[in-house]
Parts: sequence; structure tokens; C-alpha cells
Amino acid sequence: EAGVAQSPRYKIIEKRQSVAFWCNPISGHATLYWYQQILGQGPKLLIQFQNNGVVDDSQLPKDRFSAERLKGVDSTLKIQPAKLEDSAVYLCASSPGPNYGYTFGSGTRLTVV
Amino acid sequence: EDQVTQSPEALRLQEGESSSLNCSYTVSGLRGLFWYRQDPGKGPEFLFTLYSAGEEKEKERLKATLTKKESFLHITAPKPEDSATYLCAVRNTDKLIFGTGTRLQVFP
Repeated sequence: EAGVAQSPRYKIIEKRQSVAFWCNPISGHATLYWYQQILGQGPKLLIQFQNNGVVDDSQLPKDRFSAERLKGVDSTLKIQPAKLEDSAVYLCASSPGPNYGYTFGSGTRLTVV
Repeated sequence: EDQVTQSPEALRLQEGESSSLNCSYTVSGLRGLFWYRQDPGKGPEFLFTLYSAGEEKEKERLKATLTKKESFLHITAPKPEDSATYLCAVRNTDKLIFGTGTRLQVFP
């Protein structure tokens, strides 16, 4: 089966600019996650969708980050305005449901200068 | 608060030199302990899920074990291609909480 697709692979922006990341999960996977991985750290959950509804966004900095999952398939994560500390890899993962493992995409490496 | 701690942070092994990576955790209501492998520039790749104390799983040179407080990833006779960061995560309800990983380097 095809994996989790993410784009772009790399992005460099200046602070205060905006940026968007795209994720296409594995077909049929109801649950989609966005994780932030800062260099040298483990991934941290930003937001979890079940179909097109938000299950958990407690760790999402809502003053600058937003995410949506239209029609329960693709998802976009947006940052506006970006800060230097947002430099990280943004990983998308999907899962068939609560009792299954996750499959991760290759991530988008964001550098804010 | 749910927490995952991995040790050591980094490990350098000679090819063939067996060792173990540790993952200690505190979680209210464990619904699985996961091991992932992450290569540079890639997303984490699933290795194992363990659900109950005493459970063991193996895959090639890797063996994962679980107790009530910690998990070990044993690497037997490692090869250079085993070099990667190994991440441990616990699931509470429906989200994974990750440790910071152990960066393993295996030299020929």
C-alpha cells in the first residue's frame, strides 16, 4: 500500500511569514496526526483528527498554528506568523483506528530564519 | 503526568557487539508500548508493539521486552545498517507519547 505522503520536503522562510504543509494519509485511515519534532527530541503531538473532526489539539499553539482535514482525507497544517522556535520537522501520521499502530510520512523540515 | 525516558542518549558499538537500549515510562493506563526506528531525514518506522508485562517480540537482530516500568530493546550482533535513532513511545487513550530517542551508531 502507498505510504503517508507529505509535501513539501523542505521549506525555508523568514520569521513572521506564513507556511503551509500538506499530508495525504494512507487510504482508509480514519485517524490522522500532526507531530512536531525539534532536532534531538522525540515527536510531540500537535493535533489529532478522527475523520474530519478534531480529537485532541491541546498542544497546538492556536494563536499561530491551525490545521484542517477536509472530507476526512487530506490535511493541511498552517503556521502564521512563524517564529524561530518553529524550526522543526513536521510529521504526519495515520492509523486505521485507536487500536492500531501509526504509519508516519517522511516529514517536512521547516527552517525559520 | 505521562512520561517516557530513554537511555542512553547515544550509543556507539562495534559491529557484533551486543547491547540494550532502555525505555522507562510512567503512564496512567498503558495501551501499548511502541518501538520505532528513525533514519536521518525520514519519519519513524514501526518496529514493535508490546501490550503486557512479560511480553517479548523479535525481528531479525532486535528483541523488545516489557516490564511494568520499562522496556528494553536488545540488539544482538549489530551491523552498521542498524545505525539509527530508536524511539520508544507509550499510548494512553489514543495518542503516542514519545521519548527523546537513543542514537545508535554501529562501526565496522
